[in-house]
Formats: sequence, structure tokens, C-alpha cells
Amino acid sequence: DVKVTQSSRYLVKRTGEKVFLECVQDMDHENMFWYRQDPGLGLRLIYFSYDVKMKEKGDIPEGYSVSREKKERFSLILESASTNQTSMYLCASSSQGVEAFFGQGTRLTVV
Amino acid sequence: KNEVEQSPQNLTAQEGEFITINCSYSVGISALHWLQQHPGGGIVSLFMLSSGKKKHGRLIATINIQEKHSSLHITASHPRDSAVYICAVITGTASKLTFGTGTRLQVTL
Repeated sequence: DVKVTQSSRYLVKRTGEKVFLECVQDMDHENMFWYRQDPGLGLRLIYFSYDVKMKEKGDIPEGYSVSREKKERFSLILESASTNQTSMYLCASSSQGVEAFFGQGTRLTVV
Repeated sequence: KNEVEQSPQNLTAQEGEFITINCSYSVGISALHWLQQHPGGGIVSLFMLSSGKKKHGRLIATINIQEKHSSLHITASHPRDSAVYICAVITGTASKLTFGTGTRLQVTL
């Protein structure tokens, strides 16, 4: 059964903390994505990666960074968490011509 | 203007009704996804299509590339179909997804 796994379903962090969100896929997909989902705004792309060590900014990269050291793992980093980063974070992976698969989401609350 | 527009935003139907959700987009795409999201957050791909029509059980998806329009139909709707349905277009060599804002469907008995 193919899978995209996010490390946490729920996280509560304090303002200013460094936060790591991990995503692992077992389908050998080249492409991996991080989105955030907010009411009324839908899913917005933060960063994506099309190969190991390659990364591209999405629509809302400010305040975030990413790391892809291995093909199966794509990490999202909040360098200094702020309350406006409270959101649902979704990871996805895909390959050319193949449908995308999504993780179960991480609901992050920054207090 | 969003690159991907969905309508309606909210939809309430009675069990058994035929449902249509529409998606229009303004960019060149390689394919289009219809996704389903239940409360709790998990997203599942229902269809990926680049032309014509696909059918899976009571779900039918169509796309018209020339008109930049896709529709998702649910026949004989059921309360378990209640969810948010999201249209997403695929662009670029990295198969980047751009999403519509979703249609919240509630099917009542």
C-alpha cells in the first residue's frame, strides 16, 4: 500500500521555536511538495522539490525553509515559529504522469 | 483572479440527488486532479485526467481542454459522500499542483 507519511498529526509549539515537519514517501517519487491549508484560502504551495537536494520556492515561502537530503524524505522547517504559521500542513508526492499522493496532514498550533 | 476557480463553494443535497461540481482554470495544464478531503484533513485523489471522461463507481469526471473546464459528477448521492471536493491542476515539469478553494458538499437523508 503506497504511502506518504507525515511525522506528526498534531503539534503545539511556542513562538520563536524552530519547528521541523517531516514527510516520507515510499513510492520513489521525484517530486515532493509542502502546502499549508487555511480556511477560505485553500491549499497554498510553500516549497517543492523535484530531485534530491533541489528545491524551489512556491507561492508563500517566507518564514519557511526545506531540506531534501534523500529522495524519500522532504522536511519543512520553520526557523522561528510565529502565530500566523498556525495552520494545517500537507505534504504530497508525485511523479510525471502519475497521480499525486498526500500525507494525512499536520495541524500545527503556535502559541 | 485565482488560476483555478471552483463552483459552487458550498452545496447541500438530499440523498439520491445528482451532483455537479465545476472547475475552470486559466493556465496551460498537463492534467487535472479531483481530490476528496474528509474532516480530519486527509486528502485522497479521486481522478487524474488529461482528456475526455473517467468513471469510478458513482463518480464521473470530465474535462474539456479547449474550454479549460472540468466537472465532477456524483450520481445517486449518499451521506457518506459529504466531504470537501477540490480541483487541482498540474503544471510544469515538476508536476506542480495548483488548487481550487474547494466545494463543501453536505448530503442529507
